[in-house]
Amino acid sequence: RKEVEQDPGPFNVPEGATVAFNCTYSNSASQSFFWYRQDCRKEPKLLMSVYSSGNEDGRFTAQLNRASQYISLLIRDSKLSDSATYLCVVNQFSGGYNKLIFGAGTRLAVHP
Amino acid sequence: EPEVTQTPSHQVTQMGQEVILRCVPISNHLYFYWYRQILGQKVEFLVSFYNNEISEKSEIFDDQFSVERPDGSNFTLKIRSTKLEDSAMYFCASSELGPGQFFGPGTRLTVL
Repeated sequence: RKEVEQDPGPFNVPEGATVAFNCTYSNSASQSFFWYRQDCRKEPKLLMSVYSSGNEDGRFTAQLNRASQYISLLIRDSKLSDSATYLCVVNQFSGGYNKLIFGAGTRLAVHP
Repeated sequence: EPEVTQTPSHQVTQMGQEVILRCVPISNHLYFYWYRQILGQKVEFLVSFYNNEISEKSEIFDDQFSVERPDGSNFTLKIRSTKLEDSAMYFCASSELGPGQFFGPGTRLTVL
């Protein structure tokens, strides 16, 4: 089983749509969780951390369910500029050090 | 806003040659990382570095790879004898105490 699994997409949505991405992780010892965004041939950029209580940043809402080992990202009122690959990332902390484990990403294409 | 920088942006080399990829992490960060991304695949952890020594490395990071912090600002990844399958984007990242890591723009390595 992959450590971090995501639906590869692509998700093709019109501007203004709401889109949801899901992610599952296999290592229950994983300690912190993130969504990164990656544009074509660019570096991953930290979008937001994910907390069990759920957290929101403008149009973006992230949720974590530790019992189900499930992470989600909701984008409301999507913009053309949201087109990118969204990476679900899990941090494993061991021996005092952090290691990020990336999912393969879900591609989003927002069209006019 | 401080950022991680990497040079060169693109490196072309012949199989069997040595390459050194360079990174300047964010100045007050203490933890440094290298990741790689083969075209069309997910981002993979290579190595983490703290207090002038490797703290963790993946199975990919074999004897052909080494890292060094030669001075107070640079962080380098050396591949001793490149193979065709080393062709990838190599990302440097850095972080403070917490798990949130910030990535450089990457070096595209092409091995011919």
